[in-house]
Amino acid sequence: DIQMTQSPSSLSASVGDRVTITCRASQNIGKYLNWYQQKPGKAPKLLIYTTSSLQSGVPSRFSGGGSGTDFTLTVSTLQPEDFATYYCQQSYSTRPVTFGQGTRLEIE
Amino acid sequence: QVQLQESGPGLVKPSQTLSLTCTVSGASISSGGYYWTWIRQHPGKGLEYIGYIYYSGATFYNPSLKSRVFISVDTSKNQFSLNLSSVTAADTAVYFCARAKDQVFFYFDSWGQGTLVTVSS
Repeated sequence: DIQMTQSPSSLSASVGDRVTITCRASQNIGKYLNWYQQKPGKAPKLLIYTTSSLQSGVPSRFSGGGSGTDFTLTVSTLQPEDFATYYCQQSYSTRPVTFGQGTRLEIE
Repeated sequence: QVQLQESGPGLVKPSQTLSLTCTVSGASISSGGYYWTWIRQHPGKGLEYIGYIYYSGATFYNPSLKSRVFISVDTSKNQFSLNLSSVTAADTAVYFCARAKDQVFFYFDSWGQGTLVTVSS
């Protein structure tokens, strides 16, 4: 299985900050990297697919980048509703797909 | 707008079979182009992919669970189901059903709200 490692595991930031979360794959996955946001007691929500495509309805302050093994999710100007846990997921190999361990974004 | 809703017992005894159903509305499983999946999340932990079914009945199961998992589809009811046999406390988790966009991109664009299943005697 392809291993996905996110860093940091947790992050404290303030409203208005710019934050970046990193996801590293154990092998080359091309552009097949997706990002999700999960709030407590809720299902994950798709934010970005295939590295940089913004899912419909997701604010433009979210952006994704990278290729190969190293990927980023950036929130340009944090809003109160952005404090949540974020997961990356590779879909290069769908047998099985795998997720990162999550990055918890907390209010500083 | 597609909606998914999990249903099933919230408590299962050890060694028994966990059975959940996902009812899909706003989209037809029979239309194809999407893979209907199960994902679970242990309390306070990350996401674990269980497997998928396509409308044709084709399935894939995560090797980590393959010997105990069975996913089926009922296109007439627009539902798909998960059976996980021989459960232990380690199977206590929130179980999500989700829709995956095609075999090429395979991202999960719609999710159920999740249902907590506790394995306990």
